[in-house]
Amino acid sequence: GQQVMQIPQYQHVQEGEDFTTYCNSSTTLSNIQWYKQRPGGHPVFLIQLVKSGEVKKQKRLTFQFGEAKKNSSLHITATQTTDVGTYFCAGRDSNFGNEKLTFGTGTRLTIIP
Amino acid sequence: EPEVTQTPSHQVTQMGQEVILRCVPISNHLYFYWYRQILGQKVEFLVSFYNNEISEKSEIFDDQFSVERPDGSNFTLKIRSTKLEDSAMYFCASGVRYSNQPQHFGDGTRLSIL
Repeated sequence: GQQVMQIPQYQHVQEGEDFTTYCNSSTTLSNIQWYKQRPGGHPVFLIQLVKSGEVKKQKRLTFQFGEAKKNSSLHITATQTTDVGTYFCAGRDSNFGNEKLTFGTGTRLTIIP
Repeated sequence: EPEVTQTPSHQVTQMGQEVILRCVPISNHLYFYWYRQILGQKVEFLVSFYNNEISEKSEIFDDQFSVERPDGSNFTLKIRSTKLEDSAMYFCASGVRYSNQPQHFGDGTRLSIL
């Protein structure tokens, strides 16, 4: 079945440093979504990427979808303590009619003040 | 902003007992989902539901699981005979359409099986 892996599993950064998490799918995706889960919280939708090579920005966050639509990345510039949490990518297989959203293994970000 | 609400927030049940987890999706949403997250692990898809029937389910969603939309607002997940390994956080989510749309998650129900 489809597998979605993320690296790194954990990332500890000093406040102000940059952070990147990488997401890789075993199958081609129709689209990819990114979610953030704060400790003890629920996943919160951040963004969706649909087109091959697409890049989207949200303030300090930059999201990229690979040309082959099998990988994606999230980059945070100048991290802040509010960025703490686990970042999950979630992708849909490109097979028509497949609704299942497969979440990645997640990257837990902790910030050292 | 509309929210997905889940009850109870924490459910403690003896192994072998039936449990029903309840969700009220966002009112104009048409697609409903259940996910589970074992502590410290990733979010796993269980089932999607549309037009009063299951549209897709994972291998986790075996005969012990069932979903129902008993009225116009609630969406329930039933586990018929709970096992220790069913202990997890269960999230309900809803969406306007399944394709290319975000899913809105509830706060979850923490299920503890003793």
